[in-house]
Amino acid sequence: EAGVTQFPSHSVIEKGQTVTLRCDPISGHDNLYWYRRVMGKEIKFLLHFVKESKQDESGMPNNRFLAERTGGTYSTLKVQPAELEDSGVYFCASSRFRTGDTQYFGPGTRLTVL
Amino acid sequence: SQQGEEDPQALSIQEGENATMNCSYKTSINNLQWYRQNSGRGLVHLILIRSNEREKHSGRLRVTLDTSKKSSSLLITASRAADTASYFCATDDNQGGKLIFGQGTELSVKP
Repeated sequence: EAGVTQFPSHSVIEKGQTVTLRCDPISGHDNLYWYRRVMGKEIKFLLHFVKESKQDESGMPNNRFLAERTGGTYSTLKVQPAELEDSGVYFCASSRFRTGDTQYFGPGTRLTVL
Repeated sequence: SQQGEEDPQALSIQEGENATMNCSYKTSINNLQWYRQNSGRGLVHLILIRSNEREKHSGRLRVTLDTSKKSSSLLITASRAADTASYFCATDDNQGGKLIFGQGTELSVKP
């Protein structure tokens, strides 16, 4: 069974530019989560999809971040326009069930905003 | 909101020794999970312990959970250099599925 995959693995952009991150969850996993770790700080929740619906987006920092999961398969996270404080590692995770289940993480996308 | 705190923040031991990491949290949980992150890599799930469990084993890993003290510990026995990584605890509050992570413990195992 393939794991969670993320693309790209690294992205370096300038302030003001747009970046789109992609996550492919494990096949059959309805639940998809985005998290990020800003340098030196803890891993923080961004949002949660159940199939194509946003279940919880309480962790999204502001309206420069837009997440989609059309068709309930892969998800994208767009940052537009990017700011310096957006730099960090963005992780995606998926699980079969909504609660009480193991979340399997992807390798992350390291985003650097210059 | 609940927040996990881990202790110690950094731990350095010799190969063969045991490593113990602790995690505390603030609110009721459904389960607690431990993850490992090797440098520059993704998070690898190690073990999940449910709120009605007190201890769980997986290979060289032993996890305990004390819900009365709102704390958990991860013990790695007979450590190896390959165990060098960051270790995180994460709690699921059964509200919606999101995980709340601790700050992590940086473990260094010297050969």
